Amino acid sequence: GAVVSQHPSWVICKSGTSVKIECRSLDFQATTMFWYRQFPKQSLMLMATSNEGSKATYEQGVEKDKFLINHASLTLSTLTVTSAHPEDSSFYICSASPMGGVQETQYFGPGTRLLVL
Amino acid sequence: AQRVTQPEKLLSVFKGAPVELKCNYSYSGSPELFWYVQYSRQRLQLLLRHISRESIKGFTADLNKGETSFHLKKPFAQEEDSAMYYCAQGSSNTGKLIFGQGTTLQVKP
Repeated sequence: GAVVSQHPSWVICKSGTSVKIECRSLDFQATTMFWYRQFPKQSLMLMATSNEGSKATYEQGVEKDKFLINHASLTLSTLTVTSAHPEDSSFYICSASPMGGVQETQYFGPGTRLLVL
Repeated sequence: AQRVTQPEKLLSVFKGAPVELKCNYSYSGSPELFWYVQYSRQRLQLLLRHISRESIKGFTADLNKGETSFHLKKPFAQEEDSAMYYCAQGSSNTGKLIFGQGTTLQVKP
């Protein structure tokens, strides 16, 4: 089956530092990847849509300069949380849609837990 | 804007009882609807999608356009069904998924 990995699985950082999270599709190519944020006991909130070779599309209310997204290849997208603050602490999840597949099919990564001290 | 509503945060049933997890969506002509499941400490995974009209792990979901609903049902709940269930509506234009708030299903022995 289609597998999506995320690295790291968890990270603790000091306030003001930047953190990069990687999302990889391991056995398929993905033209589109999505980044979500999930607060405890809450639903997934879509942050941005990442298309290979083009700029990410951010959802309303998501700061593009705060959450930098790079989709450098058909198997890798990265989310960089710049100048992280405690309120950025959350669970970040990515998903990927296979190239040539049904557009709405998304395979999810295991998530990255970020704690900003 | 598209909106998916799951009115129940928690649904608790006994093993063997029927289960219905409610989901209502905002009207969008021909909706693409999904149920995702997240077991404890595992990633989100697709349970079923309405266009395939299949039954996975005994679960089914019927699209009711009149009521704009896509409720998830299972006639006899099992303990291993305990998980968080998310209803989601897709956009064929953008590929985006909009998730409901999620319902925790707790199946008691």
